[in-house]
Amino acid sequence: GAGVSQSPSNKVTEKGKDVELRCDPISGHTALYWYRQSLGQGLEFLIYFQGNSAPDKSGLPSDRFSAERTGGSVSTLTIQRTQQEDSAVYLCASSRPGRGTDTQYFGPGTRLTVL
Amino acid sequence: AQRVTQPEKLLSVFKGAPVELKCNYSYSGSPELFWYVQYSRQRLQLLLRHISRESIKGFTADLNKGETSFHLKKPFAQEEDSAMYYCALSVNNDYKLSFGAGTTVTVRA
Repeated sequence: GAGVSQSPSNKVTEKGKDVELRCDPISGHTALYWYRQSLGQGLEFLIYFQGNSAPDKSGLPSDRFSAERTGGSVSTLTIQRTQQEDSAVYLCASSRPGRGTDTQYFGPGTRLTVL
Repeated sequence: AQRVTQPEKLLSVFKGAPVELKCNYSYSGSPELFWYVQYSRQRLQLLLRHISRESIKGFTADLNKGETSFHLKKPFAQEEDSAMYYCALSVNNDYKLSFGAGTTVTVRA
């Protein structure tokens, strides 16, 4: 079946602009995660959605970052008033319901460049 | 908070030579450890997890609680093993994974 998809694959924006990144999880996966992969650093957890539960937003670096998940499927990560330090690859992952450590399946990522 | 350290950013080995990627973690309880791999132009994917005690693509990793390590090993590296490898940790059956900074492995002919 289809894997996790993300769009756009690349996004170049000017400092101060807002951007929206989209993630389509694997069908049937109720858990969805957003990570940020910065150059020379590991993956940084941003936010987690599980079914209808309140999302875990503990990893969001500032209030300029927000995410939502509509209908328990597609998710959008929004970055307002982008800064140059927001430049990174944003990865989305999904997993089956069940134990918290179920295998996470990653999308191809969105490379964000803030000029 | 738990932390994962991968001390080597780059690792270069010859084809057929053994390869070992180091991973150390800081957590006092019983963690779950994973290795994820990202081949060129491919997505990040799970390679193996310690609870499965399995060998994937010739790689094995043993959890050493005394040394708080989870090193990844392969006795004979192949060119197709060239990739970025991430060690990751989960605690208390939590969904959050803490990742190390990654090690880029290059296997030369």
